[in-house]
Amino acid sequence: AQSVTQPDIHITVSEGASLELRCNYSYGATPYLFWYVQSPGQGLQLLLKYFSGDTLVQGIKGFEAEFKRSQSSFNLRKPSVHWSDAAEYFCAVVPSGYSTLTFGKGTMLLVSP
Amino acid sequence: GAGVSQTPSNKVTEKGKYVELRCDPISGHTALYWYRQSLGQGPEFLIYFQGTGAADDSGLPNDRFFAVRPEGSVSTLKIQRTERGDSAVYLCASSLTGTSGYNEQFFGPGTRLTVL
Repeated sequence: AQSVTQPDIHITVSEGASLELRCNYSYGATPYLFWYVQSPGQGLQLLLKYFSGDTLVQGIKGFEAEFKRSQSSFNLRKPSVHWSDAAEYFCAVVPSGYSTLTFGKGTMLLVSP
Repeated sequence: GAGVSQTPSNKVTEKGKYVELRCDPISGHTALYWYRQSLGQGPEFLIYFQGTGAADDSGLPNDRFFAVRPEGSVSTLKIQRTERGDSAVYLCASSLTGTSGYNEQFFGPGTRLTVL
């Protein structure tokens, strides 16, 4: 079945430490890939997207993500986490030929001092 | 410029009642999407409009849910005979067009619906 999996429900990272959030997808053809962030009381904000080309994608707020076709993964990374990064992060895909987003269940990022 | 707006921000209703949720997209965006986010879950697609017509309504859970976009701008999501399981945050998004995934979807803040 087609799906988007975020295996970590919660992750706690110390401020200043590096971060990696995992995302795996299961689709026949490589879909368009996205990462969104949702802060309490805020709408979903697009961090970055991958359509094709360079497999390392740079986004806003210092985030980057790497597409690995062999692993069907699109993991989100940040070298140094700030307290303001605490939020819920969603991986999402748009399958080939479609226009609507399919989201993973999300990973809640907690940042400890 | 103004983003996507949704009203009301919160709606509390009783089981069996009818509710309407409104979405005002970004001006000039022809595509409009409704998603539903239940507690602890990611948003799930409900329906997508291209202009005035529903291009894909495959995500509507049953015939109690209906949405319209009569003039190709504002959209209303209508839920009849609400059930407790309908409690969720209803998100609206819009994009310039909906013809491919290239067009970024901009999300509103959502309407939190609570059915007692």
